[in-house]
Amino acid sequence: GAVVSQHPSWVICKSGTSVKIECRSLDFQATTMFWYRQFPKQSLMLMATSNEGSKATYEQGVEKDKFLINHASLTLSTLTVTSAHPEDSSFYICSARVPPQRLAGRSYNEQFFGPGTRLTVL
Amino acid sequence: GENVEQHPSTLSVQEGDSAVIKCTYSDSASNYFPWYKQELGKRPQLIIDIRSNVGEKKDQRIAVTLNKTAKHFSLHITETQPEDSAVYFCAASRTGGFKTIFGAGTRLFVKA
Repeated sequence: GAVVSQHPSWVICKSGTSVKIECRSLDFQATTMFWYRQFPKQSLMLMATSNEGSKATYEQGVEKDKFLINHASLTLSTLTVTSAHPEDSSFYICSARVPPQRLAGRSYNEQFFGPGTRLTVL
Repeated sequence: GENVEQHPSTLSVQEGDSAVIKCTYSDSASNYFPWYKQELGKRPQLIIDIRSNVGEKKDQRIAVTLNKTAKHFSLHITETQPEDSAVYFCAASRTGGFKTIFGAGTRLFVKA
């Protein structure tokens, strides 16, 4: 249980275009999802916390106008990279927190990650 | 702000040996400490976690210890196998919906 999907798995785009990445919780409802960015051989850097029905909370240094996050339903959060540039090329991973009713011995803070999206901006 | 330091950044062991990865956290209110394993190009997978009311937890060849006073926690892998080769991340967070802070990661190589 607790499966998170992400689409697309990879995308190549031209500089200046916008790219939308979807994160879905397939078998549970996620009120909170997280978006991370991971550069090669580096750690997961939290970009923002996405809360269903409200505005996302961005980490310091992350431009909210460039990385638009929408969490319109309990199973879907989207990240749109607007006017992408080569420096935005990275591995973007979402995660969802297990809701209390699905705990079944798990910790409320446990996160399940999507498979990631590799973005390459030419 | 909150910070998690992880050492070593790279660890190479012989198959069958033990591997130990250590982390230190700064937020004294942290009370949940998961460990993730990430293989190349794949998503992080939770392998074990520990809460602050427990000092040690074991699951087969994997164990985690926690010293709240020193704000240290460690991952121990015994009888390592080549398939244990991956990047391991420690993390710290608080219950109640707070964000999770990840360590920089440890690249573990298990030589056959």
